[in-house]
Amino acid sequence: AQSVTQLGSHVSVSEGALVLLRCNYSSSVPPYLFWYVQYPNQGLQLLLKYTTGATLVKGINGFEAEFKKSETSFHLTKPSAHMSDAAEYFCAVRPSGGYQKVTFGTGTKLQVIP
Amino acid sequence: DGGITQSPKYLFRKEGQNVTLSCEQNLNHDAMYWYRQDPGQGLRLIYYSQIVNDFQKGDIAEGYSVSREKKESFPLTVTSAQKNPTAFYLCASSVQGAANEKLFFGSGTQLSVL
Repeated sequence: AQSVTQLGSHVSVSEGALVLLRCNYSSSVPPYLFWYVQYPNQGLQLLLKYTTGATLVKGINGFEAEFKKSETSFHLTKPSAHMSDAAEYFCAVRPSGGYQKVTFGTGTKLQVIP
Repeated sequence: DGGITQSPKYLFRKEGQNVTLSCEQNLNHDAMYWYRQDPGQGLRLIYYSQIVNDFQKGDIAEGYSVSREKKESFPLTVTSAQKNPTAFYLCASSVQGAANEKLFFGSGTQLSVL
């Protein structure tokens, strides 16, 4: 079975500062990894994903994440936070190969301080 | 525009009542899902369907039922057996496979108990 751990349910950063949201996963087979973002009272939308190939993946709105197999991590970063980045972020994993369900982390709420 | 439509946006349930949440998609996706979101708990899978006339229980199926009579529609019924139904419910559909892997979410239904 797979699982996801997101460290920190709330993260606050100043506008213009580095954003770092942490995600560690466990999976018995090579994983597909995702970050989704949720704005208040809305559904989730995909920020970025790792399936195969390059381990540093770039997503929308200037976010990127690096798949580190040795650390079982997929941390999300953005060099400079913007007020519009305030939202809840979810890391997710699913085992590769065939149909498999997606497992979500508990989410991290990002606050951006002006 | 292609997407997933959930209705209603807000729903209230009386004691002992069954209520049905609607989910319609025009993305031509085979797979559809229902998630329950509670604060601090992330998204938990209730039911999923990979194809018409077939569906499987997720992690928290007790007290819920679904049907999948049409590709476009995947309604969720919250029965009176669900003792704690207050939550935000999200419907999703997906494309699977490394290149196109992605979950598409509706905007959610907030269910509350009167």
